[in-house]
Amino acid sequence: EVQLVESGGGLVQPGRSLRLSCAASGFTFDDYAMHWVRQAPGKGLEWVSGISWNSGSIGYADSVKGRFTISRDNAKNSLYLQMNSLRAEDTALYYCAKSSVPSSSEPTFDYWGQGTLVTVSS
Amino acid sequence: SSELTQDPAVSVALGQTVRITCQGDSLRSYYASWYQQKPGQAPVLVIYGKNNRPSGIPDRFSGSSSGNTASLTITGAQAEDEADYYCNSRDSSGNHGVVFGGGTKLTVL
Repeated sequence: EVQLVESGGGLVQPGRSLRLSCAASGFTFDDYAMHWVRQAPGKGLEWVSGISWNSGSIGYADSVKGRFTISRDNAKNSLYLQMNSLRAEDTALYYCAKSSVPSSSEPTFDYWGQGTLVTVSS
Repeated sequence: SSELTQDPAVSVALGQTVRITCQGDSLRSYYASWYQQKPGQAPVLVIYGKNNRPSGIPDRFSGSSSGNTASLTITGAQAEDEADYYCNSRDSSGNHGVVFGGGTKLTVL
């Protein structure tokens, strides 16, 4: 059974940093691209970042480019999102999502975690 | 980045057919995927590619595409289909990214 478990969310002040993690199990992690998708309270889904199976291709939404860094550790079956210079508008539930293919530009996300909540507030 | 546009809300009578649409320039080149999200739950993939359903998704869900518009059709809508539906696709602007539509709230009457 595929499982994606996010962690690392919490309350953080504007301008500070936070690192999210996603622990994956139930599939061959290094065969697939992985993504972060967020959802602000009462709002729609927003793609944040994606990383290919071998970290060779990475993409970011314009809203987080230069502030967030995605990475993965295939030996640990883990995905990460380093979030710096956080803003109030980054407040959201952050989902880890598995791609159906190795490429990070393919938009089919076949499994999702339950999300970790990030609240940016003073 | 490119954009995908969805109607904010659609309603359908129980047992009838409903089509939810997604418009965007990227859809001229790439297929959309569709996700169902119920309150308090993570999204679930329901349609991907030309018209593919993951295992466990009922065959009343189908997908199609024409020009810059992708459509999700539910034939014989059930009460449990009431949910938010999102499309997504490759971002055609070349940033190796993905873009989501704003979502459609489906009400089953």
